Amino acid sequence: GAVVSQHPSWVICKSGTSVKIECRSLDFQATTMFWYRQFPKQSLMLMATSNEGSKATYEQGVEKDKFLINHASLTLSTLTVTSAHPEDSSFYICSASPLTPGLAGYTQYFGPGTRLTVL
Amino acid sequence: QKEVEQNSGPLSVPEGAIASLNCTYSDRGSQSFFWYRQYSGKSPELIMFIYSNGDKEDGRFTAQLNKASQYVSLLIRDSQPSDSATYLCAVVKGNQFYFGTGTSLTVIP
Repeated sequence: GAVVSQHPSWVICKSGTSVKIECRSLDFQATTMFWYRQFPKQSLMLMATSNEGSKATYEQGVEKDKFLINHASLTLSTLTVTSAHPEDSSFYICSASPLTPGLAGYTQYFGPGTRLTVL
Repeated sequence: QKEVEQNSGPLSVPEGAIASLNCTYSDRGSQSFFWYRQYSGKSPELIMFIYSNGDKEDGRFTAQLNKASQYVSLLIRDSQPSDSATYLCAVVKGNQFYFGTGTSLTVIP
């Protein structure tokens, strides 16, 4: 149980284009989903937290107009990198939690990640 | 002060030895504690969670929590080369999830 998928697993795009990454919870409903970015040999960096049906909460320094997050249902969240540039090349990882924050058992299950390369 | 602190390592242990990974947290109100493993180029995977003081064992892994001293550790018995990875400590306080920067472990055959 607690499987999270991401699609695509890797993507190469030209500078200036937009890329959409999907995150799905396959066997549970996710009240909260998280988006992270990780550069090589660096730690996870939380970009934003999204709750189904409401706007995402972005971390300081993350441009919400550049990284559009839509948590349209309890099993799907999408991250769209708009007007991507080479510096946006990174490993993007989503995670999902089946429970409401504050409850015992609240934890995060990670998707396999999406490697984005912007040429 | 960071919410969660880990020694970045690298930590090297010989095959078959016990690997000990440590994590400290700053907020006494933290409620839940997790260990994740992340192989190079892959996303983190949950290994264990612990909520109460004391030890919790799962196979070769033992998580230890000491709320008075505000630390949580992970012991890996009979370490295998396949255990070589970065281990992330995570702490939950309320609705906030805090990750450490991870400790790199290498198990030498």
